[in-house]
Amino acid sequence: GAGVSQSPSNKVTEKGKDVELRCDPISGHTALYWYRQSLGQGLEFLIYFQGNSAPDKSGLPSDRFSAERTGGSVSTLTIQRTQQEDSAVYLCASSLKAGGLYNEQFFGPGTRLTVL
Amino acid sequence: AQKVTQAQTEISVVEKEDVTLDCVYETRDTTYYLFWYKQPPSGELVFLIRRNSFDEQNEISGRYSWNFQKSTSSFNFTITASQVVDSAVYFCALSEPNSGYSTLTFGKGTMLLVSP
Repeated sequence: GAGVSQSPSNKVTEKGKDVELRCDPISGHTALYWYRQSLGQGLEFLIYFQGNSAPDKSGLPSDRFSAERTGGSVSTLTIQRTQQEDSAVYLCASSLKAGGLYNEQFFGPGTRLTVL
Repeated sequence: AQKVTQAQTEISVVEKEDVTLDCVYETRDTTYYLFWYKQPPSGELVFLIRRNSFDEQNEISGRYSWNFQKSTSSFNFTITASQVVDSAVYFCALSEPNSGYSTLTFGKGTMLLVSP
């Protein structure tokens, strides 16, 4: 079956521009997660969605970062006024549900963001 | 202090050698989950194992085995008779009740290079 897909695979942008990164979770998975992987910080949790509940935004590094999930499926991570330190690989994952026995997360290939 | 410590940044072995990747975690909770993920050069994180804190039985899956010891807060991963295809970055991760066992806190990863 289809795994988690992300687009674009690569994004180069200029400092100060806004970017949108997209994630398509595995069909039937109600939980969706965003992580960021950078050389300096490793893999960091950003935000997760479980069904129609309010998302857990505790990992977002600043208010320039936001995410939404439409119809309980596709998610978009938006970074406003990008900075060079935002350069990283942004990974999306999904799981059947959030928490407990269902927290086996399947990851997408990531979007490599480069801010010039 | 890091919650998940993978002290070995990089390990190089020759094919057919056994190799153990160390993972030490820190948590005050009695219930938690531990994970190992593999990130091959292609970049996509691949789930290997999940273990809950109440299950200390060691697990073996083919050439892979995991040794979970609560007494030392360690969850080590051994690859027996390593192969070139095992070359990847391996991440250990922790999931705790404060996130509803949803989000993963990753270690910095261990890069394993298996040469022929």
